[in-house]
Amino acid sequence: AQSVTQLDSQVPVFEEAPVELRCNYSSSVSVYLFWYVQYPNQGLQLLLKYLSGSTLVKSINGFEAEFNKSQTSFHLRKPSVHISDTAEYFCAVTTSASKIIFGSGTRLSIRP
Amino acid sequence: GAGVSQSPSNKVTEKGKDVELRCDPISGHTALYWYRQSLGQGLEFLIYFQGNSAPDKSGLPSDRFSAERTGGSVSTLTIQRTQQEDSAVYLCASSVVGGGDEQYFGPGTRLTVT
Repeated sequence: AQSVTQLDSQVPVFEEAPVELRCNYSSSVSVYLFWYVQYPNQGLQLLLKYLSGSTLVKSINGFEAEFNKSQTSFHLRKPSVHISDTAEYFCAVTTSASKIIFGSGTRLSIRP
Repeated sequence: GAGVSQSPSNKVTEKGKDVELRCDPISGHTALYWYRQSLGQGLEFLIYFQGNSAPDKSGLPSDRFSAERTGGSVSTLTIQRTQQEDSAVYLCASSVVGGGDEQYFGPGTRLTVT
């Protein structure tokens, strides 16, 4: 069975600073990895995903995540955050034939 | 096109009552998921339907919880004899198929048990 751990429940950063949200997973088979985002008072939506191929995946709003098989990680990064990035971010893992398991979430708060 | 819809958006019920929560997935999506999101908690997986396969019920917290999916479309999550700890936002999601497909989430049903 798969599992996913988000090491930080809350991450406060200043606007325009870089940020990294950590995610580690556990699985005995090949995995698909996701980051979902939940903006205040909105539903969850997909931010980016890794299925295969290039280990570096990017979102349209400047976030990127790198699949690191040796470290079983899929950390989310952004070089310069904006107030509008304030949200809760969920890492998720699945295999080709199973349910998706979500992490406990990381609340990103941006200070001006 | 229409996204995933859930009803009701809010439900307040007395402890011990039964409740039914409804999810209408995106048309043509064969996979449907139910999650529970409690304050300060992550997304807790409840149940997963994939096509005509037997559902994965491994996340249901007790036998008071059950779910069905009729005709491969609409799903109903039923909680019997509700308890205060059942208070949470119940989220439904669907995807074209399971596995690596993007999940589309509904707005959720906020359940409050008094």
